[in-house]
Amino acid sequence: AQTVTQSQPEMSVQEAETVTLSCTYDTSESDYYLFWYKQPPSRQMILVIRQEAYKQQNATENRFSVNFQKAAKSFSLKISDSQLGDAAMYFCAYRIHTGANSKLTFGKGITLSVRP
Amino acid sequence: EAGVVQSPRYKIIEKKQPVAFWCNPISGHNTLYWYRQNLGQGPELLIRYENEEAVDDSQLPKDRFSAERLKGVDSTLKIQPAELGDSAVYLCASSFTRRDGYTFGSGTRLTVV
Repeated sequence: AQTVTQSQPEMSVQEAETVTLSCTYDTSESDYYLFWYKQPPSRQMILVIRQEAYKQQNATENRFSVNFQKAAKSFSLKISDSQLGDAAMYFCAYRIHTGANSKLTFGKGITLSVRP
Repeated sequence: EAGVVQSPRYKIIEKKQPVAFWCNPISGHNTLYWYRQNLGQGPELLIRYENEEAVDDSQLPKDRFSAERLKGVDSTLKIQPAELGDSAVYLCASSFTRRDGYTFGSGTRLTVV
């Protein structure tokens, strides 16, 4: 069974600084997707960034980038120039590639606070 | 484009009472998911629909939970009777292709007292 582990329950970062959120996963599959979702107090899960396992290049979206280490099964999220609006819960998630619309498996999440 | 719409936003009920949640997915999204998110946890899948068909309901507690998706569009999730442990956020999501991350609604926060 696939599992996603986020071992840090909370992190804090100074506004304008950089923070890295950690995630590890376990799978026997070779082709899959990894995601980071943001969940603000409004509760809506918002997709931050997506990585396809067959791509060696790390995904980037503006201030958000990932460090994908397939052999180590590690998928960390780096937030640069942190803003107050980045404060939220962040969830790492996994989905296998084959099988249309297969389910997302989430980690427990990490609460990120941003200090002004 | 309207997002995934869920109602109600909040619901407080006494244990043993029934409750229902409603979800309207994004137009054209054939796949619909119901997730439950306990406090301090990540969401966990309850049921997945492809059009009208429930294709994965292995995690749905079928003794008290039921769901339907008539005409392959809107969906309703029901709990009868509710238990204290059912207190959670119930999230609905939809997707079009396997490449896309899902689009989630804002969820219903259920409190059973």
